[in-house]
Amino acid sequence: GDSVTQMEGPVTLSEEAFLTINCTYTATGYPSLFWYVQYPGEGLQLLLKATKADDKGSNKGFEATYRKETTSFHLEKGSVQVSDSAVYFCALADIQGAQKLVFGQGTRLTINP
Amino acid sequence: DAGVIQSPRHEVTEMGQEVTLRCKPISGHNSLFWYRQTMMRGLELLIYFNNNVPIDDSGMPEDRFSAKMPNASFSTLKIQPSEPRDSAVYFCASSPIAGVDGELFFGEGSRLTVL
Repeated sequence: GDSVTQMEGPVTLSEEAFLTINCTYTATGYPSLFWYVQYPGEGLQLLLKATKADDKGSNKGFEATYRKETTSFHLEKGSVQVSDSAVYFCALADIQGAQKLVFGQGTRLTINP
Repeated sequence: DAGVIQSPRHEVTEMGQEVTLRCKPISGHNSLFWYRQTMMRGLELLIYFNNNVPIDDSGMPEDRFSAKMPNASFSTLKIQPSEPRDSAVYFCASSPIAGVDGELFFGEGSRLTVL
């Protein structure tokens, strides 16, 4: 079945460092890809998405590009802030228009001042 | 606008007791999802509804779990009898069926501890 694999956490960085969180997927079709973020004590919220190959999703300084050839959707940010500390989830929707999401295991990110 | 509302936020109960978790989706959303989050297994989809009808309950762990959606503005997830391994954070999420691919709106979760 469809699956998502994220880099192992936790990840700890200093403020203003460059961030990459790796995500690869396995899917039979052409899924839509997402990054969700979970701040402490809250539910998940959509950070960004891409619906087809070579699309780049971006939001709040974060970016991710849908790479079909490497089945990847890595999350990047050029300069992280303490407020970016959260758990980040990569996810896919296996059929266009479907709401059923498959999530990765999550990567906990801590940014130190 | 009100988001997805879950109750209770925290529940501590003893093994064997019945637990009922409640969810009010965003008004106008036609799809509702129940997820369970644990350290060991991450985020798992338990069941989801479209227009109050259960579509996929393959993630429900066993017969002790049941979910209902009697109307468009309310859903329950019931565990009877509860066991310590059911301890987790349970999230409810909703989305408009005709909305943006994959964008789910999550509640703040119900943290369940079964002693």
